[in-house]
Amino acid sequence: AQSVAQPEDQVNVAEGNPLTVKCTYSVSGNPYLFWYVQYPNRGLQFLLKYITGDNLVKGSYGFEAEFNKSQTSFHLKKPSALVSDSALYFCAVRERGYNKLIFGAGTRLAVHP
Amino acid sequence: DVKVTQSSRYLVKRTGEKVFLECVQDMDHENMFWYRQDPGLGLRLIYFSYDVKMKEKGDIPEGYSVSREKKERFSLILESASTNQTSMYLCASRPPRQDSYEQYFGPGTRLTVT
Repeated sequence: AQSVAQPEDQVNVAEGNPLTVKCTYSVSGNPYLFWYVQYPNRGLQFLLKYITGDNLVKGSYGFEAEFNKSQTSFHLKKPSALVSDSALYFCAVRERGYNKLIFGAGTRLAVHP
Repeated sequence: DVKVTQSSRYLVKRTGEKVFLECVQDMDHENMFWYRQDPGLGLRLIYFSYDVKMKEKGDIPEGYSVSREKKERFSLILESASTNQTSMYLCASRPPRQDSYEQYFGPGTRLTVT
């Protein structure tokens, strides 16, 4: 069965420092991987996706993520955090040929001035 | 830009009421989805539809039904609302291609059942 784990409920980082939000996944076939962000009282906004090709994918707002097949991970990164990055981040996986998107529980990112 | 709208941002209903949550998308997407979002549980799929009048159960369909009479509109129905259905409900849509594209989400409806 497909599953996604986000091992940290919350990540705290100082403004200007690099940030990492972790995600690991489990699928039996080839994965499609996504990161979404949710700001307070808003729907989910798409950040980036991995379909195939380069393991490092770049997305919106300066975020990037690295696909690591051997570790079944897809960690979200940003070189320099902003206070405005504070939000709830969701990792999601879909197995090729299936219609369902499976979400992790979410990680709350808090960037302190 | 893709636009997915939901009929209400906030809704308060009483136990036992029939509740309708409406979702409309303007991109002619075949696939539409209903999720509920609860703290610590992420998003869980309730139902999805891949065409008009077609529907499939997601992971937590109990207590819910759906209707898709027109391509742009996907309705979630709580036949008899219960307090454990208090949650944030999110609608999403996606193009039909199987080579994976992201889902587009509406702003959500926060439902409180008292």
